[in-house]
Amino acid sequence: GNSVTQMEGPVTLSEEAFLTINCTYTATGYPSLFWYVQYPGEGLQLLLKATKADDKGSNKGFEATYRKETTSFHLEKGSVQVSDSAVYFCALSEGSGGYQKVTFGTGTKLQVIP
Amino acid sequence: DAGVIQSPRHEVTEMGQEVTLRCKPISGHDYLFWYRQTMMRGLELLIYFNNNVPIDDSGMPEDRFSAKMPNASFSTLKIQPSEPRDSAVYFCASSFRTSGSGRPTDTQYFGPGTRLTVL
Repeated sequence: GNSVTQMEGPVTLSEEAFLTINCTYTATGYPSLFWYVQYPGEGLQLLLKATKADDKGSNKGFEATYRKETTSFHLEKGSVQVSDSAVYFCALSEGSGGYQKVTFGTGTKLQVIP
Repeated sequence: DAGVIQSPRHEVTEMGQEVTLRCKPISGHDYLFWYRQTMMRGLELLIYFNNNVPIDDSGMPEDRFSAKMPNASFSTLKIQPSEPRDSAVYFCASSFRTSGSGRPTDTQYFGPGTRLTVL
């Protein structure tokens, strides 16, 4: 079955540091890939997505590129802020017919200190 | 748009009591999902509905859990009787089909969650 593996957290960075959160996936076909973010006390919200190989998703300074050859979708940001402190979930969706089942990773907690 | 609405935001109950969690999806969305989030197991899909019909409840942990969607704007998740191991954050999410393609858009919109504590 499908699976998503992301790096263990927590990740602690100083403000303005470079961020990478690794994500790799296993899927039988050609999934769509996502990063969701969960701020404290809130539900998950979509951060960015990519639907085919070599696509780059970007939002709020975050980027991730769909790498089919390495089955990866690593999240990056050039300069993190304290407000980026949250839990980040990598996910994929794949399916046929009406519903595309979403598989989430376990989440990586990011803490940014001033 | 108000987004996905869940109530209550926090629930504390005693073991053996019935618990009902409520969800109002985004208007126009025809898929509704219930998830459970714990530190040990992460985010688990419990059940999802399409056009108010339960499609896959294979994630429901046991018969103590039940979910209904009587109309397009309301769903409930009930636990009866509740147990301490049910303590978790329960999320509701919704999504919709793209016009013309007949396929969901992939993106799920999550509510703020209900934090359930069973003593």
